[in-house]
Amino acid sequence: AQKITQTQPGMFVQEKEAVTLDCTYDTSDPSYGLFWYKQPSSGEMIFLIYQGSYDQQNATEGRYSLNFQKARKSANLVISASQLGDSAMYFCATPRGANNLFFGTGTRLTVIP
Amino acid sequence: DVKVTQSSRYLVKRTGEKVFLECVQDMDHENMFWYRQDPGLGLRLIYFSYDVKMKEKGDIPEGYSVSREKKERFSLILESASTNQTSMYLCASSPSPLYGYTFGSGTRLTVV
Repeated sequence: AQKITQTQPGMFVQEKEAVTLDCTYDTSDPSYGLFWYKQPSSGEMIFLIYQGSYDQQNATEGRYSLNFQKARKSANLVISASQLGDSAMYFCATPRGANNLFFGTGTRLTVIP
Repeated sequence: DVKVTQSSRYLVKRTGEKVFLECVQDMDHENMFWYRQDPGLGLRLIYFSYDVKMKEKGDIPEGYSVSREKKERFSLILESASTNQTSMYLCASSPSPLYGYTFGSGTRLTVV
């Protein structure tokens, strides 16, 4: 069974600094992916970045990158040069078979001016 | 761009009322999903549908039912609303969960 663990309920970061949001996973699928979503206070979930288990390189999308460590079963999200607009909830997720996504409990990031 | 539209952003209902939450997507996706989101619990799957008139229970289906009569529309029904169903409800659609989801903007439901 799939499991996603996000151990940081809340994180603070100074504006312009980098921050790492932790995600560890457990899955029985030999081929899997990890997704990160952002949820601003408006409520809508926004896709940020995806890492496939067979991808040779860590995924990057602008200021977002994934620190993917397969042996440790971790897929931490790194946000560089934090901005005030990065304040939001962040969720890590993985497919549960081919049926649906299983989400972690989320991390609330607050960027301090 | 795929768009997923949830009919209400905020809803207040009374205990015992029958509540309908509507979700419409415009990109012909086979799969649609309903999640509820609660602080500290993340997103939990209520029901999903992989085709018209097809549905599958998720992790917390008790107290809910769904309807998918047309491919673009997936409705969540609270047969008799209770205060413990006060929550944020998120609808999503996808061609396949392996490609991730597109979400609606959510409905904050309060049952009083």
